[in-house]
Amino acid sequence: KQEVTQIPAALSVPEGENLVLNCSFTDSAIYNLQWFRQDPGKGLTSLLLIQSSQREQTSGRLNASLDKSSGRSTLYIAASQPGDSATYLCAVRPPGNMLTFGGGTRLMVKP
Amino acid sequence: NAGVTQTPKFRILKIGQSMTLQCAQDMNHNYMYWYRQDPGMGLKLIYYSVGAGITDKGEVPNGYNVSRSTTEDFPLRLELAAPSQTSVYFCASTPLGMETQYFGPGTRLLVL
Repeated sequence: KQEVTQIPAALSVPEGENLVLNCSFTDSAIYNLQWFRQDPGKGLTSLLLIQSSQREQTSGRLNASLDKSSGRSTLYIAASQPGDSATYLCAVRPPGNMLTFGGGTRLMVKP
Repeated sequence: NAGVTQTPKFRILKIGQSMTLQCAQDMNHNYMYWYRQDPGMGLKLIYYSVGAGITDKGEVPNGYNVSRSTTEDFPLRLELAAPSQTSVYFCASTPLGMETQYFGPGTRLLVL
């Protein structure tokens, strides 16, 4: 059974710092991996989607990488801002199945 | 477009009561999903639907039922509420041929 783990569970950084969020998964047979952002009391917003054949995806200050063979993905946030404060979740999609989510990393960026 | 809407936002139920969580989308998406999220945990799939009249179980379907009579609506039914069903419930949808899921704002349910 696929399991997705995100470490750390919570992270607090000063504004302007570059940071990395980690996601690991136990079964490398995935179709794609997605990173989501969740604001308190809100639903999830899709940030980046990496297909299994890709190594990375970028959107603005966000860069997500995928190493399928080692079962790892990282989300890099450059020059963090207080508005980046949220919970970040990764999810993998095995072929033919639905998404399996990690527990999330709660990020706080202090002004 | 309103996107994915969910009602109610918050509800308190007594053990054994029943209720229906409503979900609607106005984007003509084929796929719709129901998830639950427990505190500090990721989302777990309850049920999903690939189109009107077609539903299937996800990872945690026990205690829930769904129906999909139209493309727009995908209600989730709790028949006999139990404290273990205290959670935040999210509905999501995806257009045919795409991977990105669009989420509703969630329904917070407390069963006492």
